[in-house]
Amino acid sequence: KAGVTQTPRYLIKTRGQQVTLSCSPISGHRSVSWYQQTPGQGLQFLFEYFSETQRNKGNFPGRFSGRQFSNSRSEMNVSTLELGDSALYLCASSLPGQRGTGELFFGEGSRLTVL
Amino acid sequence: AQSVTQLDSHVSVSEGTPVLLRCNYSSSYSPSLFWYVQHPNKGLQLLLKYTSAATLVKGINGFEAEFKKSETSFHLTKPSAHMSDAAEYFCVVRTTKTSYDKVIFGPGTSLSVIP
Repeated sequence: KAGVTQTPRYLIKTRGQQVTLSCSPISGHRSVSWYQQTPGQGLQFLFEYFSETQRNKGNFPGRFSGRQFSNSRSEMNVSTLELGDSALYLCASSLPGQRGTGELFFGEGSRLTVL
Repeated sequence: AQSVTQLDSHVSVSEGTPVLLRCNYSSSYSPSLFWYVQHPNKGLQLLLKYTSAATLVKGINGFEAEFKKSETSFHLTKPSAHMSDAAEYFCVVRTTKTSYDKVIFGPGTSLSVIP
C-alpha cells in the first residue's frame, strides 16, 4: 500500500512568487492535513480537509490556502512568498471514522526555500 | 486549553544504555496521545499511541510509553539505545469532541546516540 506522497520534494522560489504543493493521501484516507515545520517554530498546523471541505484552520495569514479534490488529493498554495515561508511542509492523512483516536500518516514533506 | 511539554530539547545517551524522553500534557478532555519519530529530511513516523486502553503502550523498534493520568505524563522509554535511534521525537496530543478536533505537537526532543 503506497504511503502519503508529496510533490515536489524540494523547491526554490524567490520572494513575491507563489508556490503550489501537492499531497496524495493513502488510498481510502479522506482526511488530509498540512503542517509547516521550521527550526524556530516547530510543527505548526495549517489546515485540514475532509471530503473537499476545510474542517480546521490554523493561525496563518490568508496567503496560505488549500483545497481538496474529489479523489482526496490535496494542494496547498502560498502566494506572495516571504523569506519566513522557508520551511518543510508536511502533509498527513488519516482514516475516516478515526477522528481523535486515529494516527496521522505523514509524507516526507516538501522542502521550500525562499530566496 | 491544551498543551504539550517535552521537558528536554536534547538528550544524549550512549549506545546500549536506556532512553527516557519526557512528555507532559494538559488537556480539558480525555486525549489520545502519540509519539512520532522524525529522521533528518524525512516525514514523521508513528512509534506508538495511547487511546484509553492499556496504560503501558508498546511500539515499534522496542519503544514503549506509559500513560500516567495523575501525573499527566506520557514518557517514552527504550531499554537499550541503538545508533539508528538518533532522531527527533515528538509527543502529540489529539483531542476530539463532537465538532472539535485538535492536534497539538510538542516542540520535539533531539536524541543523540554516542557509540
